Amino acid sequence: DVKVTQSSRYLVKRTGEKVFLECVQDMDHENMFWYRQDPGLGLRLIYFSYDVKMKEKGDIPEGYSVSREKKERFSLILESASTNQTSMYLCASSFDEPSYDEQFFGPGTRLTVL
Amino acid sequence: AQTVTQSQPEMSVQEAETVTLSCTYDTSESDYYLFWYKQPPSRQMILVIRQEAYKQQNATENRFSVNFQKAAKSFSLKISDSQLGDAAMYFCALTSGSRLTFGEGTQLTVNP
Repeated sequence: DVKVTQSSRYLVKRTGEKVFLECVQDMDHENMFWYRQDPGLGLRLIYFSYDVKMKEKGDIPEGYSVSREKKERFSLILESASTNQTSMYLCASSFDEPSYDEQFFGPGTRLTVL
Repeated sequence: AQTVTQSQPEMSVQEAETVTLSCTYDTSESDYYLFWYKQPPSRQMILVIRQEAYKQQNATENRFSVNFQKAAKSFSLKISDSQLGDAAMYFCALTSGSRLTFGEGTQLTVNP
């Protein structure tokens, strides 16, 4: 079974703090993704990576950056957290071409920025 | 740009009955894939069913089937013999190229 894990289920941070969200997958998947999930908006892609050290912006990259130093790990960084970044963050991975391959999701991190 | 719209924020169904969740989409691509994902309460999102746009035959996975109307850009999910474990948020999604675009989601309640 593919396993995608995220470092925290719940996180509370203060405005202006630097926040790291970690995601690890154990199935040697090429592609990894970060989404945020908000009620009424569905999931929106923040960034994705198709190889180590390779990244591409998604639909809402502003205020975020990512790092992929190892194939199994993909980190989302909020350089200076703001209250409008309070959300559920989901990590996902896929083995093959993202256009048709199933994505496997982590349990999510619910981030609250005060 | 591609869009996915789920016009039913909430749906409910009686156990053992059939329910259909609606999804419409828009894309300028001719080659794309459509998905339904399920997110149970406090559990991870999982794939329910996938449809290739070039295939005319509707995909089926056990009690789950789709009605894919390419010309109308419609992709509905039918759940037959609904079970309590089907209660979840359901997301319709569309990919073309490397982007996966999700709809807003439909919260399905299954009543015993």
